[in-house]
Amino acid sequence: DAGVIQSPRHEVTEMGQEVTLRCKPISGHNSLFWYRQTMMRGLELLIYFNNNVPIDDSGMPEDRFSAKMPNASFSTLKIQPSEPRDSAVYFCASTYRGHYGYTFGSGTRLTVV
Amino acid sequence: KNEVEQSPQNLTAQEGEFITINCSYSVGISALHWLQQHPGGGIVSLFMLSSGKKKHGRLIATINIQEKHSSLHITASHPRDSAVYICAVKAAGNKLTFGGGTRVLVKP
Repeated sequence: DAGVIQSPRHEVTEMGQEVTLRCKPISGHNSLFWYRQTMMRGLELLIYFNNNVPIDDSGMPEDRFSAKMPNASFSTLKIQPSEPRDSAVYFCASTYRGHYGYTFGSGTRLTVV
Repeated sequence: KNEVEQSPQNLTAQEGEFITINCSYSVGISALHWLQQHPGGGIVSLFMLSSGKKKHGRLIATINIQEKHSSLHITASHPRDSAVYICAVKAAGNKLTFGGGTRVLVKP
């Protein structure tokens, strides 16, 4: 298995633009997580899905952020409109019921200028 | 007070030294994870523990559920061990709560 695949690896965009981050979890994993990492706040959970259903989105900062998981093999995190304070590394992770550990993607480094 | 506290925040060691990183948590958990993140790199899961001790190569992780405390030890440290080590706990559901991380620098 290629692991959790995120794209793009790097994204630089102008304030106000829409940004879409993508994640392909490990096949067979039933939970998917979106995290944001900044120097100031460390790793924060944004949202997680069980069996493609959003379970906890309390970490989503505001309505500008939305996440979808249309099927078991794909998820997106969208920011519209983007702002400079959204600059961070966004990680996707997946697990099978948390029983066997979590696998993280390589992250997307987002810079909003 | 954060639910997961790590200490120290930063640690510098000479190559070959024994390193210990501590993690304390305040909630009931079903599992505790130790993660490693190299500079500019992704996050790798090192251990998942629910009791006792696990060993992988030069890394040892222990957990004391009663005391709500875990330690990660690195024996015979090497410059390639330089990274941020993150403790994370799994409480309700599959959600992880993270500590602030310990930045380790091993000098040759």
